[in-house]
Amino acid sequence: SQQGEEDPQALSIQEGENATMNCSYKTSINNLQWYRQNSGRGLVHLILIRSNEREKHSGRLRVTLDTSKKSSSLLITASRAADTASYFCATARSNDYKLSFGAGTTVTVRA
Amino acid sequence: DADVTQTPRNRITKTGKRIMLECSQTKGHDRMYWYRQDPGLGLQLIYYSFDVKDINKGEISDGYSVSRQAQAKFSLSLESAIPNQTALYFCATSGGGSGNQPQHFGDGTRLSIL
Repeated sequence: SQQGEEDPQALSIQEGENATMNCSYKTSINNLQWYRQNSGRGLVHLILIRSNEREKHSGRLRVTLDTSKKSSSLLITASRAADTASYFCATARSNDYKLSFGAGTTVTVRA
Repeated sequence: DADVTQTPRNRITKTGKRIMLECSQTKGHDRMYWYRQDPGLGLQLIYYSFDVKDINKGEISDGYSVSRQAQAKFSLSLESAIPNQTALYFCATSGGGSGNQPQHFGDGTRLSIL
């Protein structure tokens, strides 16, 4: 069963705009990770945020985590055509090292 | 060269056939995983292995088996393929230690069962 659910399912934006997607989950977690998948390729790890962290940055990416609401958001600033991909959140539960993936958000960046 | 290599990249086969998907890694990671991805869904864990002597079932292991031949190699078998096993299959690896480790994915095997 999927632990995380992303919202929206799909997002279309103009190049240069920001893209925000959200992830909600059901059980307590050790950490939450975001991955990107380009068409026809494997997933690529973007950023990991631990349960005791509230915000993390990596380049144009900003991730927030609210454990009281069991939710996370991924913000991509100043989007580029190369950011066109599917984005997945994955949660690692407290007592094991497996990841549970959501269904993903498909982001299309228009030139 | 890719750190996590899956072979074949594409495979079309018939119902009832036995199929093996292979995964090898050069990252030196102890942990390896097999997932399947269906359109519009996230990844579902089939099997995982934390070292050569450790094999564990994931969420959807029925109809699948695995073999961890070495630290670097983890293969997935479909004993008697059926059409609803048509999917994209991914192998992934991660380092040991604490649970806070990202996973590294191969580019997948697209499997079609007719």
